[in-house]
Amino acid sequence: AQTVTQSQPEMSVQEAETVTLSCTYDTSESDYYLFWYKQPPSRQMILVIRQEAYKQQNATENRFSVNFQKAAKSFSLKISDSQLGDAAMYFCAYKDIRDDKIIFGKGTRLHILP
Amino acid sequence: GAVVSQHPSRVICKSGTSVKIECRSLDFQATTMFWYRQFPKQSLMLMATSNEGSKATYEQGVEKDKFLINHASLTLSTLTVTSAHPEDSSFYICSAVSYGYTFGSGTRLTVV
Repeated sequence: AQTVTQSQPEMSVQEAETVTLSCTYDTSESDYYLFWYKQPPSRQMILVIRQEAYKQQNATENRFSVNFQKAAKSFSLKISDSQLGDAAMYFCAYKDIRDDKIIFGKGTRLHILP
Repeated sequence: GAVVSQHPSRVICKSGTSVKIECRSLDFQATTMFWYRQFPKQSLMLMATSNEGSKATYEQGVEKDKFLINHASLTLSTLTVTSAHPEDSSFYICSAVSYGYTFGSGTRLTVV
């Protein structure tokens, strides 16, 4: 069974600095999708970034970028120029191409220090 | 973009009663919707997959007679918590599959 592991329950970063959230996953599949979701205090789940496993190029969305290491099954999220609005729970997630289900990691709570 | 409306956002009910939560896709058709439960400071736990026109598929350990799911149309799935107990108090979130995944804003259920 596929699993998603986020080893950092909480992290803090100074405003305007860069922070990297870690995620590893386990799967025997070769084709799948990986996601980072943000859940702010409102608890609305917001898609931050998405990566297709067949693409070697790392996905980027403005200040958010990933480091996708397929062989190592690692999918970290880098947030540049951290802003107070980035404070939230961040969930790493996996989806097999054959299934609509998303498997979530346990999350990392990110604090932004002013 | 795709929007999923979830209602109510908060509900308080008495033990032994039932409560219905609605999840509606506003501008797209969703043949598949998912229902999650989230305990405080924890991740989303998938409860069931709701399929339009067929029975829901429940995850292991989820009581299908307690958590009734109906997906009667391409835009609406409902979760009914039957004979609610205080331990059913939680945050429930739905999501719909469209081009990607769109989540509802969640429902905080408190059973007193």
